[in-house]
Amino acid sequence: GAVVSQHPSRVICKSGTSVKIECRSLDFQATTMFWYRQFPKQSLMLMATSNEGSKATYEQGVEKDKFLINHASLTLSTLTVTSAHPEDSSFYICSARRRDYEQYFGPGTRLTVT
Amino acid sequence: GQNIDQPTEMTATEGAIVQINCTYQTSGFNGLFWYQQHAGEAPTFLSYNVLDGLEEKGRFSSFLSRSKGYSYLLLKELQMKDSASYLCAAMDSNYQLIWGAGTKLIIKP
Repeated sequence: GAVVSQHPSRVICKSGTSVKIECRSLDFQATTMFWYRQFPKQSLMLMATSNEGSKATYEQGVEKDKFLINHASLTLSTLTVTSAHPEDSSFYICSARRRDYEQYFGPGTRLTVT
Repeated sequence: GQNIDQPTEMTATEGAIVQINCTYQTSGFNGLFWYQQHAGEAPTFLSYNVLDGLEEKGRFSSFLSRSKGYSYLLLKELQMKDSASYLCAAMDSNYQLIWGAGTKLIIKP
């Protein structure tokens, strides 16, 4: 199968601090990874598309200076939420593309900013 | 523009059959996906259709009509554990997934 992991699964941080979330494809190489955010009872919202070795492409309305994405290798992408605020509290999910139509999701990271 | 429409919520009875519809409009088309998402968890893959017709996989089947921009997910012999949100997503010409808002399926005993 194709496994994608995320770490941490849950994180609580204080307002103003930064949080890093890791997304790893464990048994395949992913040239493209996606970061989504999901608020309660809402659908997935694509935040950015991350390509290995190049800058991420952010969706309209997503602040690239606040949500830093680094896709340093074919198996790892990181999302850093800088200067987090309570409104950033959400469920963050990554997915990794193995082939054109194959996209596998990580288990998600629940971020709570107090 | 690109758009996916699916019902917000549906209710069905344990043991019954339910059909969740999805219509889509995308720039190009590279397939239609259905995902299941339980509360607090990430989505899990259910099906992928790129050709017209019905794909059957156990209790779940998925249908696609490209000419109509229409798909449905059919769930048979419903079980309580099928209570979840079902997300329809269409892949556009850039292989990007365009997501529907999800259909919350409530199963009653």
